[in-house]
Amino acid sequence: GQSLEQPSEVTAVEGAIVQINCTYQTSGFYGLSWYQQHDGGAPTFLSYNALDGLEETGRFSSFLSRSDSYGYLLLQELQMKDSASYFCAVRGGPGGYQKVTFGTGTKLQVIP
Amino acid sequence: DADVTQTPRNRITKTGKRIMLECSQTKGHDRMYWYRQDPGLGLRLIYYSFDVKDINKGEISDGYSVSRQAQAKFSLSLESAIPNQTALYFCATSAGGSADKYNYGYTFGSGTRLTVV
Repeated sequence: GQSLEQPSEVTAVEGAIVQINCTYQTSGFYGLSWYQQHDGGAPTFLSYNALDGLEETGRFSSFLSRSDSYGYLLLQELQMKDSASYFCAVRGGPGGYQKVTFGTGTKLQVIP
Repeated sequence: DADVTQTPRNRITKTGKRIMLECSQTKGHDRMYWYRQDPGLGLRLIYYSFDVKDINKGEISDGYSVSRQAQAKFSLSLESAIPNQTALYFCATSAGGSADKYNYGYTFGSGTRLTVV
């Protein structure tokens, strides 16, 4: 089967850098995505990594190591509005490339 | 207008009642999904559809059914609602794979908060 692990909660200070880790187990891996969800809101797509390495989009970066079945989301210059839940999601598994499985989410609290 | 619209936003229903949640999209995406979100359990896939004639069960399809009325419309039904179906339900769409990695991202609706009493 598939499984993803990410920390349930992280707290960081405004202006700092925070890294949210995600480890996964799956047969047939195609890519790792990250989503942001504010309380009461819809998840919004942040990034997708299919190949090893770092992808940067503004203050957010996402990293993937396929050999380690590991990825992370890096948030720089934290702002109060970054307080939200962050989900990693794996594309692949027994359902093939069409199947996406979400982790249980990491709740990020940014404090002044 | 939102790209993916879900109705209703909130609904309280009684055990045993039939209820339909509706989803429509203006993204022009072929692929549509229904997810359920419960605290601490993340997003779990109920059903998905890759085109009008394609319907597939997800990991938690028992007690649910779907209908893909058109490319832009995908509805979820609870034939006989039970209290443990109380949850936040999301519809999502995607364009599918292509050379553009951002086509892999899902666009979610605002969700339907369903309470079964």
